[in-house]
This record gives sequence, C-alpha cells and structure tokens, in this order.
Amino acid sequence: GAGVSQSPSNKVTEKGKDVELRCDPISGHTALYWYRQSLGQGLEFLIYFQGNSAPDKSGLPSDRFSAERTGGSVSTLTIQRTQQEDSAVYLCASSPDRAKLFFGSGTQLSVL
Amino acid sequence: AQTVTQSQPEMSVQEAETVTLSCTYDTSESNYYLFWYKQPPSRQMILVIRQEAYKQQNATENRFSVNFQKAAKSFSLKISDSQLGDTAMYFCAFMNSGGGADGLTFGKGTHLIIQP
Repeated sequence: GAGVSQSPSNKVTEKGKDVELRCDPISGHTALYWYRQSLGQGLEFLIYFQGNSAPDKSGLPSDRFSAERTGGSVSTLTIQRTQQEDSAVYLCASSPDRAKLFFGSGTQLSVL
Repeated sequence: AQTVTQSQPEMSVQEAETVTLSCTYDTSESNYYLFWYKQPPSRQMILVIRQEAYKQQNATENRFSVNFQKAAKSFSLKISDSQLGDTAMYFCAFMNSGGGADGLTFGKGTHLIIQP
C-alpha cells in the first residue's frame, strides 16, 4: 500500500489477556517507530527499529511490552497481561531517513 | 533532554479567520528540526510543516506558515483563511539533527476548532 497500515483499528480486550498490534510500514523505509498516545496526551515513544540494528527499547514502560520487526518490514507490538492503564492509541510510523516520519492511523486499545 | 510546551489546550475561531498556535521548546542542541503535525479524528498524524533550525527563513505551506524565533526557542504556527477541515489536534514536535529514537519529542497538543 501507499501508506503505513496498522491493524486492528480497534481492539477491546479483558484485563490480563495478551494482545498483538501489527504495523506494515511503507515499503523501503528502514526506520520504524512505535508510540503510545494516552487520552489527551501527546505521543510517548516506545521503541525504534533501524535497519538490521538492535532496536532501541528505551521507551517501553514495562517488561510486559515487547516488539519485533521481521525481515526489516512488518512489526508487531505485543502487550502481555494487559492492564487498564495500557488503554491508549498505539501509533506506528516509518521513515526513509531522518526527520520524515509517516504515521499510520493507529490501534485504539481498550482494556476492560 | 528536550521538552516541547504547547500552552493552549484548546482554541476556537470562526471560519476564514487567522489563528496562531503557540509552541516553545527547550534544547541544548544547535542543529535540529521542528514540526507541526495535524491529527484529525481519523487519528493519523499528518505532517503540516517542517522547519530546519539552521534556516532563518520561516517555512510556509500554502495557508500554513511558522514564526520561528530560534533565540527565544519559539515555533508558532499560523493558519490563514481557516477552513472547517482544519479542525483537529495540532502537535508541535522537535527532532535533533541526528534523528533516531530519542530525537523526536512531542508537545501535548492544541485542539483547534473551526466554527462555521
């Protein structure tokens, strides 16, 4: 596709369940970012992938959060044992070079 | 660490009016980028305008322009002839010239409402 694609668009889960959020970046973009946007807040950095380098996980809020990027393309953000405070919009962005981020439409996660 | 401050949580103007959104930032870097992103209800963050710190000329994109005051660390967005479709959240963001993960910092946003 022409843009960054995220799925699902919305996800409702029960507290304690695991969830997986998917991001398909723009083809050829070497960098991929995950951000979290809580209600009424700006974007909080979670994790950054650049090519084949080890990801920068410094923004992950706890060890319940993990992410992988297979083949330098698709990325999956996994949240284990979800908590209500995990409810937020999770945004993915890809970039061909510095200072040009293209965002997807995000996944709205609701933990009941 | 960089910080970005947007002091206006919400603004409302009439269609066709001009509106200015404020943004200040704090950094010890000399080379960096500044951005304004628009987030409509669709949630997708859309780049409105980008400014490179080493360029003194203010960036413009059609009805959107910025007032970049490097010494004051101020980066305001002016929207001229506002339209109903401009209604959205607007985020100011900072990135150091090295890019990477720790270079992109967002403000908390301003909710702009254009009234018919």
